[in-house]
Amino acid sequence: GQNIDQPTEMTATEGAIVQINCTYQTSGFNGLFWYQQHAGEAPTFLSYNVLDGLEEKGRFSSFLSRSKGYSYLLLKELQMKDSASYLCAVREGDSWGKLQFGAGTQVVVTP
Amino acid sequence: EPEVTQTPSHQVTQMGQEVILRCVPISNHLYFYWYRQILGQKVEFLVSFYNNEISEKSEIFDDQFSVERPDGSNFTLKIRSTKLEDSAMYFCASSQTSNGPNTGELFFGEGSRLTVL
Repeated sequence: GQNIDQPTEMTATEGAIVQINCTYQTSGFNGLFWYQQHAGEAPTFLSYNVLDGLEEKGRFSSFLSRSKGYSYLLLKELQMKDSASYLCAVREGDSWGKLQFGAGTQVVVTP
Repeated sequence: EPEVTQTPSHQVTQMGQEVILRCVPISNHLYFYWYRQILGQKVEFLVSFYNNEISEKSEIFDDQFSVERPDGSNFTLKIRSTKLEDSAMYFCASSQTSNGPNTGELFFGEGSRLTVL
C-alpha cells in the first residue's frame, strides 16, 4: 500500500510563491503526478516526475527526490485563479493508470 | 483540444436501483479508467481497462460494479444495485499509453455526480 501526505491547506497572497510538499511511502515507485482540481471539477494534469530533480513548466515547477520519498510543487506569481486543490498522486509498479492520490492541498490565494 | 466527456453530469437514484454512467474517452487513447471521489475525500481508483478487458481493479470495485466498451467510442460504468455509500463523483479518465516515453498522464472527464437516496 501507499501513504501519501500533503498539507491540508495553504494561504498566500496574489503574486507570491507557494510550495506544496508531498511525502510518500511506496514500493515500486513509477512516477509522481501533480494535478489541479477546482471545486466540483475534474483534476487537470500539471506535472510529472519520475527521475530526481526539478521540472519547470511556466509558473509551475515540480521537484522529486526518490530517496527521500518527497516531492514539491512550486507555484510562482500566484494568481487568483490558482485557488484550487492540488493533488499529489503516485504511480506504483506496472499499474496502468492506477494512481494513488493524496488528500489534496487547498490553496487559497488572497488579494 | 480533445477531451473526455461524461454523461449524465448528475444522477439521482433510489437505493437498490441500477445506474449506468457513460464516458467517451479521447479518440486515440487506448487505456480507460474510472475513479471516484466521495465528497470531501480523496480521488480513488476503481478500475482500468485495456484491449477490451479489465487490467486492474481496486477492492472498491466489487461484484456490484462492471465496465463495458459497447462500441468504438463509449466506455460505461454500471452499478447494479446502488447503496447509499455509492454517492460520489465518478470520474472517467483515459490515457494514450500506460507508460514508456510518455508520461502516461491521465485526462479526466468533468465527472458524473451520483446521489443515492
